[in-house]
This record gives sequence, structure tokens and C-alpha cells, in this order.
Amino acid sequence: EDKVVQSPLSLVVHEGDTVTLNCSYEVTNFRSLLWYKQEKKAPTFLFMLTSSGIEKKSGRLSSILDKKELFSILNITATQTGDSAIYLCAVEPHTGNQFYFGTGTSLTVIP
Amino acid sequence: DAEITQSPRHKITETGRQVTLACHQTWNHNNMFWYRQDLGHGLRLIHYSYGVQDTNKGEVSDGYSVSRSNTEDLPLTLESAASSQTSVYFCASSANRGRRTGELFFGEGSRLTVL
Repeated sequence: EDKVVQSPLSLVVHEGDTVTLNCSYEVTNFRSLLWYKQEKKAPTFLFMLTSSGIEKKSGRLSSILDKKELFSILNITATQTGDSAIYLCAVEPHTGNQFYFGTGTSLTVIP
Repeated sequence: DAEITQSPRHKITETGRQVTLACHQTWNHNNMFWYRQDLGHGLRLIHYSYGVQDTNKGEVSDGYSVSRSNTEDLPLTLESAASSQTSVYFCASSANRGRRTGELFFGEGSRLTVL
């Protein structure tokens, strides 16, 4: 059965800290892995990863994929209170157009 | 700008009532999805559609139905609402794989409470 597991489930850090969020997956015929940020409302897209070892970066956020070990990490450096959110990982297989989501990591950044 | 809208945004209903949540997208996407989000479960797929007249069951489809009569709309119906269906519901859409960046576009969510 296809599944996506995120860890930790929740995390509380102080402003300025660096955090690493984890996403491991078991999905048949992997095509891509996506990261989303969800604040109060709809998830918003952060990154899509398809190739191992190639870092995607946007400001203080970066992500990388390891297709051999079947996981991805999302790094946030110099965290700010605005980074407080649920971070969702989703995996897309080659077959069909579905996305399998993990349970999310709830990040709280304390001033 | 293209968008995806859900209505109502909040609804309270009673057990046994029929409820329909609307989803309308102007992206001209073929693929549309309904998810529910509950604490500890993340986003779970209810139903999805790859085009007009196409509907498919997701992992938590019992008690729900959808219909796709045009490209823009995928309404979700709870035939007889149950307290276990209290949740936040998200509609999403995506383009077909050949033209897609990989992104799912989400609506703002509909919070349903069944008393």
C-alpha cells in the first residue's frame, strides 16, 4: 500500500533556529514529491522534486530528494514567526493523477 | 486570474441531512479532487475526476458521492450526514500530466459540522 510518512508530527522552535522536516515514502512508480505550506487556509505550493540530489531553494527554504533511500527533507533556516504552519508532503506516482499526502508537520516558531 | 472556489465556507447541519459542497475552478483543469482533513490524518482523498463524466473513489469514499457534468465543477454530496463526517473539506485541481508543473491548486476549504 502506498504511503507517505512525515516526521516529526509537531515542532516548536525559537525565532532564528534552523529546522529540518522529514518525509519518507513508499509509493509504486514514483514520479514526483511536492511540499506544501498550510497556514489557516488552503495549502500553498512550495517545491516539486523529481530528481535525487538536486536542491530546490527559495529564500530561507530548501529541499532535497533521495530516491534511493525514499525520503525528502525540507530545511528552513533563520526561522520567523511567519513560518508557523503545517508543512505537507505529497507524492505522485507515474500511474494516474493522484497525490498521496502525509499527515503533515506542525511547526510553531516562538518569538 | 484563474482560481478555485468552494462554497459554503462553513456549514452546520444535522445527522441524516443531505449536504452538498460546491467546487468551481476556472483553471480549465481536467483533474479535480476532494480531500478531507482531520487532525492526525492529514489530507485523505474522497473522490476524484479526470474529466467530464468521469468519477473515481478515493480511500475514504463511503457516504460521499460526486458528479462531473462539466469541466469547471465537482460538487461533493453527503447523502446522509454523519457526525464522523465533521471535517474540513478541500477541493483541488490539476492539469493533465503532459502539461503540468506538478502542482495541485487548492480551494480555501469548507468546514462542515454535523450535529
